[in-house]
Order: sequence, then C-alpha cells, then structure tokens
Amino acid sequence: DAKTTQPPSMDCAEGRAANLPCNHSTISGNEYVYWYRQIHSQGPQYIIHGLKNNETNEMASLIITEDRKSSTLILPHATLRDTAVYYCIVRVATGAGGTSYGKLTFGQGTILTVHP
Amino acid sequence: GAVVSQHPSWVICKSGTSVKIECRSLDFQATTMFWYRQFPKQSLMLMATSNEGSKATYEQGVEKDKFLINHASLTLSTLTVTSAHPEDSSFYICSAYGTSGTKSSYEQYFGPGTRLTVT
Repeated sequence: DAKTTQPPSMDCAEGRAANLPCNHSTISGNEYVYWYRQIHSQGPQYIIHGLKNNETNEMASLIITEDRKSSTLILPHATLRDTAVYYCIVRVATGAGGTSYGKLTFGQGTILTVHP
Repeated sequence: GAVVSQHPSWVICKSGTSVKIECRSLDFQATTMFWYRQFPKQSLMLMATSNEGSKATYEQGVEKDKFLINHASLTLSTLTVTSAHPEDSSFYICSAYGTSGTKSSYEQYFGPGTRLTVT
C-alpha cells in the first residue's frame, strides 16, 4: 500500500472548520483513501473513505485532488470532542464478494487539538 | 455502523501468567478480524489477521506461539498472551470487517481496546 504523509499536529478553534491534509503521491489506481481517528485511550473510529470523487457524510467531507496525490479531510464545525489523532491511510479495496482487502497500516497521524 | 466489543477493557496480570482477550462483532458477522497493539505515544501496529475457521496470519516479528489467536466463530476472536512479561504491557485493539446481510462492508470497525499491564 502507498505511504501517506501528514503534519504531526494542528490546532483549530472550536466552531471553525478543521482542514487536515494528507499526501499520498504514490497512490495506485485501485487504492482508496481512508480516514480514521483515535481519541485518547480508545479504538480508532472510521470517518470516511473515497477513491477519486469527493465524499461527504455526517461526520466529515473528503476532498481528493484530481491527480489523487493528496487529499483533505474537513470537519466543518470542529468541537472539543473532535480532539484526536487523525490517520490518513491508503488501502487497496476491491468490490464486494470475493473481495481482496489491503491491510490498514497506521502511520503517526495528525494530532488535532480543538481549543475553545 | 457495526459494533465491535472487547473484554476485558483492562487487565493486570503477573509475569509468567497467561491472559485472554475477547473480541466480538455484535451486529454483524466478521469473517476476518485483526489484532493490533499500541504502545504509549506510538501508532497502532498490526499483529495478526485471523480468518474464521483457519489459522491466523502473523506479521513479521510477532511470535505466534506467544500470541495465540482463535477465531472459532463468525462473531468471536480471542487473543491469548501466553507467559506474559512486562514488555507485553500494551493497548491491544481488535478490528473486524465482514458481511452484513448481503453486503460486504468496506469499513473496518475497531473495538474499544484492552489495556494489559503485566507486573
């Protein structure tokens, strides 16, 4: 699986949008971009994933550049509870049934601190 | 989303004893489960992948005889740390994906983790 590069830490004011960047310049055509977060002393929580189109769910938006070499996770209105380590992971994932999944390999992630 | 539980949430054991950690998928069937380990201030490291009804596949450097994994059903995997030593003290996290009805889930869901302290 392709490697990812994330800034080690970021700060964000409560109520503002948090934009977390991720570089994955060696991503392959069959690799998805996944985002997870880990709040202190808890298991990781799935946030969102995408292949090439922008994605949005109730938690966040994922913006993937046209060349797929980088992406940005957007938390539109950050709260104190969003303080966590955010992991950007590139992973092979093919279709349903007889599927072959790549491993989720965690890097160091970005420590996002949301302050009042 | 799917729920994965772990038991116990924390455990303290004496050096030389064995401890078993359970991982359950509560509302879906997990054909594949993963075990991770996380030391303080470090990222998660994959230890092994277990498939229901077959032997687990261990990552390089992980001792299969020390970390016994059993995935006997579609909703339960266990990790047994045998002859535990203080250096085995860590945060152990399981994860699962599998079928939910007729649809395979792309997302991998994680349990809350088990904090193991070996004295």
